[in-house]
Amino acid sequence: AQSVTQPDIHITVSEGASLELRCNYSYGATPYLFWYVQSPGQGLQLLLKYFSGDTLVQGIKGFEAEFKRSQSSFNLRKPSVHWSDAAEYFCAVGVINDYKLSFGAGTTVTVRA
Amino acid sequence: DTEVTQTPKHLVMGMTNKKSLKCEQHMGHRAMYWYKQKAKKPPELMFVYSYEKLSINESVPSRFSPECPNSSLLNLHLHALQPEDSALYLCASSQYGGQGETQYFGPGTRLLVL
Repeated sequence: AQSVTQPDIHITVSEGASLELRCNYSYGATPYLFWYVQSPGQGLQLLLKYFSGDTLVQGIKGFEAEFKRSQSSFNLRKPSVHWSDAAEYFCAVGVINDYKLSFGAGTTVTVRA
Repeated sequence: DTEVTQTPKHLVMGMTNKKSLKCEQHMGHRAMYWYKQKAKKPPELMFVYSYEKLSINESVPSRFSPECPNSSLLNLHLHALQPEDSALYLCASSQYGGQGETQYFGPGTRLLVL
């Protein structure tokens, strides 16, 4: 079965600094990869997704992610963080012939002024 | 438009009450999902409907009863819940319920069971 690991439970970053969130997956083939963001008390919003093609994916709100097959990783980055980026971030994996999404445990991002 | 709406936003109920959560989407999606999310945890899948038919029940207790009246609507009927059922209940939809589809989530209903 597929699994997703987000090694960082909590990250604190200064406003204007860069941010990188790590995601590693375990699956025998290339999965479908997603990053979602959840602001406090809200639902999940899709930031970006990777299915195939260019391994550097651009998303909304200035986020990007890079798929690295050799490292089984799909890390999320943002060059300059805004206070509104404080939220919970979930990496998720979808696999062939399965409707399910497997979510990582999430990373909480705190932005300090 | 990638909006999924859920009502109510908040719900407080006693353990003997019967209540319902509602979810609606107008994206023409044929698959709809219910998730349960506890604080600081990822969403856990409860049910999946595909083409208005229940395709997956993730061993959810019978006090939760889903219903899909049509392709745009999804309900979750609640009865005799326990305090541990307090959580954020999220609805999502995707195009067909097939492999690797993007799921679009609603804002959730925050449920408190007293």
